[in-house]
Amino acid sequence: ETGVTQSPTHLIKTRGQQVTLRCSSQSGHNTVSWYQQALGQGPQFIFQYYREEENGRGNFPPRFSGLQFPNYSSELNVNALELDDSALYLCASTLQGFQETQYFGPGTRLLVL
Amino acid sequence: GESVGLHLPTLSVQEGDNSIINCAYSNSASDYFIWYKQESGKGPQFIIDIRSNMDKRQGQRVTVLLNKTVKHLSLQIAATQPGDSAVYFCAENMGSGYSTLTFGKGTMLLVSP
Repeated sequence: ETGVTQSPTHLIKTRGQQVTLRCSSQSGHNTVSWYQQALGQGPQFIFQYYREEENGRGNFPPRFSGLQFPNYSSELNVNALELDDSALYLCASTLQGFQETQYFGPGTRLLVL
Repeated sequence: GESVGLHLPTLSVQEGDNSIINCAYSNSASDYFIWYKQESGKGPQFIIDIRSNMDKRQGQRVTVLLNKTVKHLSLQIAATQPGDSAVYFCAENMGSGYSTLTFGKGTMLLVSP
């Protein structure tokens, strides 16, 4: 067990809707990263938050946004859902945010119809 | 663009054999590498990591080898067990100031009893 939890485990939405996914990091881990994993692919970096501010972003459009809270929880928000957003969304927490091992949660499986 | 890739998409071995999973990386700036194991329906699980100032690191039944000359990474699993069956990913951290990981597509390891 990594101590990282995510909710919900599964979610079904329709195109155009908005979704919020949640992550609870290990206590004391001040950095959280979000990844999108399409079926049969490796995880793709979406963005990272460090001390409640976005600290880096991958090649994802602005409709992917996030928040990090002082209690080590975080959210991933996706607006205007598209069919291609169907994927496993993973969060990973890190203690220092640089070259430290990232511990992943179990993920949220999102299906967009 | 630069990416991390795997040579073998599927590896089938017998229980008790030694397994070797290979990974090629193309970003010479990468200085930290991690192997993750992902079982069906779960998030990636940390196995072992190695920094670029090392060429070998051993864990429990696992060894990671890094050859910076040819940009090659391998994971060796000794006495492979059915519980080792999973998808294995190598990931690289380019040390860009924040710990984002670039993953390859993964290798499926199938262990037969």
